Amino acid sequence: EPEVTQTPSHQVTQMGQEVILRCVPISNHLYFYWYRQILGQKVEFLVSFYNNEISEKSEIFDDQFSVERPDGSNFTLKIRSTKLEDSAMYFCASRRLAGARTDTQYFGPGTRLTVL
Amino acid sequence: GQQVMQIPQYQHVQEGEDFTTYCNSSTTLSNIQWYKQRPGGHPVFLIQLVKSGEVKKQKRLTFQFGEAKKNSSLHITATQTTDVGTYFCAGGGATNKLIFGTGTLLAVQP
Repeated sequence: EPEVTQTPSHQVTQMGQEVILRCVPISNHLYFYWYRQILGQKVEFLVSFYNNEISEKSEIFDDQFSVERPDGSNFTLKIRSTKLEDSAMYFCASRRLAGARTDTQYFGPGTRLTVL
Repeated sequence: GQQVMQIPQYQHVQEGEDFTTYCNSSTTLSNIQWYKQRPGGHPVFLIQLVKSGEVKKQKRLTFQFGEAKKNSSLHITATQTTDVGTYFCAGGGATNKLIFGTGTLLAVQP
């Protein structure tokens, strides 16, 4: 069964450094998402992406964050200048259909980001 | 903004006992999805409910969507140790993003 994959599984960085988290969504999916989960807390929506542009973003997704689909398979989340509070598990998700609100989102295994 | 709350936060049961978690949204939902997250793992999709009053079953799991499409429940009959994890509901509203509930951590003692 096709899966969403994410790399790296764990990223350790110094505060102020830039990080890029990578995701390969399921191949025939059209809608992509990033969520984050601070340890012990709920999963929070960051951003959705469709047709090569941001569809929606949360208040967490400030100017330090950006997303990109550099080629036909990868979907990346960049944090320009990491802060301690960015430490979390970051999940990528993808969805097959565009415009249908009832379609399932499939989550990747996550990247654990630790900012020191 | 839209909020989705779950109760209880934590439930400890003996193996074989039943378990229920309740999900309540501050706004009407287009659909509700349920996910299970094992410790250290990622959310794994369980089911999606769309219709008002809908009830779906998956083996020992029964999912229900409220008539007003603002609440939902997950009931597990005769829990097993493999059921341990955090169960999240996630509401799909006016936009396509998922608003996750606060989660219920289930511990099952053999």
